[in-house]
Amino acid sequence: KAGVTQTPRYLIKTRGQQVTLSCSPISGHRSVSWYQQTPGQGLQFLFEYFSETQRNKGNFPGRFSGRQFSNSRSEMNVSTLELGDSALYLCASSLESGRTEAFFGQGTRLTVV
Amino acid sequence: KQEVTQIPAALSVPEGENLVLNCSFTDSAIYNLQWFRQDPGKGLTSLLLIQSSQREQTSGRLNASLDKSSGRSTLYIAASQPGDSATYLCAVSGNTPLVFGKGTRLSVIA
Repeated sequence: KAGVTQTPRYLIKTRGQQVTLSCSPISGHRSVSWYQQTPGQGLQFLFEYFSETQRNKGNFPGRFSGRQFSNSRSEMNVSTLELGDSALYLCASSLESGRTEAFFGQGTRLTVV
Repeated sequence: KQEVTQIPAALSVPEGENLVLNCSFTDSAIYNLQWFRQDPGKGLTSLLLIQSSQREQTSGRLNASLDKSSGRSTLYIAASQPGDSATYLCAVSGNTPLVFGKGTRLSVIA
């Protein structure tokens, strides 16, 4: 059974650009959550999707957005990149967010220069 | 607002030692608690999930306990090995998505 797949694994972008990250959950999982991990702040929740609907959103500016497709794959987009957006972005997949085991992908390392 | 604290932040032990990692949370209204392992630059690997109605879970050399009323969980690692070196994170879920602690960075010295 394939795990959670995140693409790309690494990205280098310039300030002001935008970026799109992708997450394919485990087959049969309809819940996808995104987290940002930085050395100073640890893991912070970005947003959660279930069956194409955003159910929760973390305390991040509107430059951060996401969506989920009918096949449960999810994308997150960051516009007008800032140096502080450099982080490891992690995606979690579960049957039912918060109530069942969460499985994480390997993450996308974003570096903004 | 749920807050999760992990103590200690870092731990170094000789190979073969048994050790305990601690996790505490402020709001006892949780669905479950999950322990993860993270190797440098990698994603999170789920180790154990404890439902709120359970007291403990075991997997191999790992044993996790949960005392929901006091807001505490421990992860016990028996006979530690150098391959156990990693950062260990606990996370709780409730009416909000997973809330994580900052982790305990474990080094097991051969």
